[in-house]
Amino acid sequence: SQKIEQNSEALNIQEGKTATLTCNYTNYSPAYLQWYRQDPGRGPVFLLLIRENEKEKRKERLKVTFDTTLKQSLFHITASQPADSATYLCALASHNTDKLIFGTGTRLQVFP
Amino acid sequence: NAGVTQTPKFRVLKTGQSMTLLCAQDMNHEYMYWYRQDPGMGLRLIHYSVGEGTTAKGEVPDGYNVSRLKKQNFLLGLESAAPSQTSVYFCASSYPPRETQYFGPGTRLLVL
Repeated sequence: SQKIEQNSEALNIQEGKTATLTCNYTNYSPAYLQWYRQDPGRGPVFLLLIRENEKEKRKERLKVTFDTTLKQSLFHITASQPADSATYLCALASHNTDKLIFGTGTRLQVFP
Repeated sequence: NAGVTQTPKFRVLKTGQSMTLLCAQDMNHEYMYWYRQDPGMGLRLIHYSVGEGTTAKGEVPDGYNVSRLKKQNFLLGLESAAPSQTSVYFCASSYPPRETQYFGPGTRLLVL
């Protein structure tokens, strides 16, 4: 069956370090992979989208990689700040659907 | 430009009562989605719409109905609420499909 896995345990890192979050998937052939940020009590907010033919995408301190062989995406936040503390969701879209499938998210806590 | 708005923000229902959640978007998006988010389950798609007058079932459609009479509005109905429908409901819109989804702030529903 199709599955998207994100680490359910919170990731705690010190300010200034690089945070790396993982999204693994099975039995999918994704056309796009997206990352969203969700703060408590709020809706998810889009961060980055990477297509199947792209290996890496950057936006300011954010970097996403997409390895269709390993069936994995890594999401990096460099020079992390306490304001980066939130839950980060990955989402996949396959070629033959109009829908996104979301992972359960990983909570990131950046402490000073 | 308000983006995606949802009403109400919070509601308490008794088992068996009915209610309608309203989602409105001002971005002229064709695609609209209703999700529910539960602890440990992530975002799950209830119903979605690919255009005015069209609706389709998502992953967890039982107990819900939807309507898209106007392009900017997407209504989610609970005909006979059950405690299992206690959740946070998010509406989203996008165009084109499978790309960036814009989420509303959510409706927190408690069914007693």
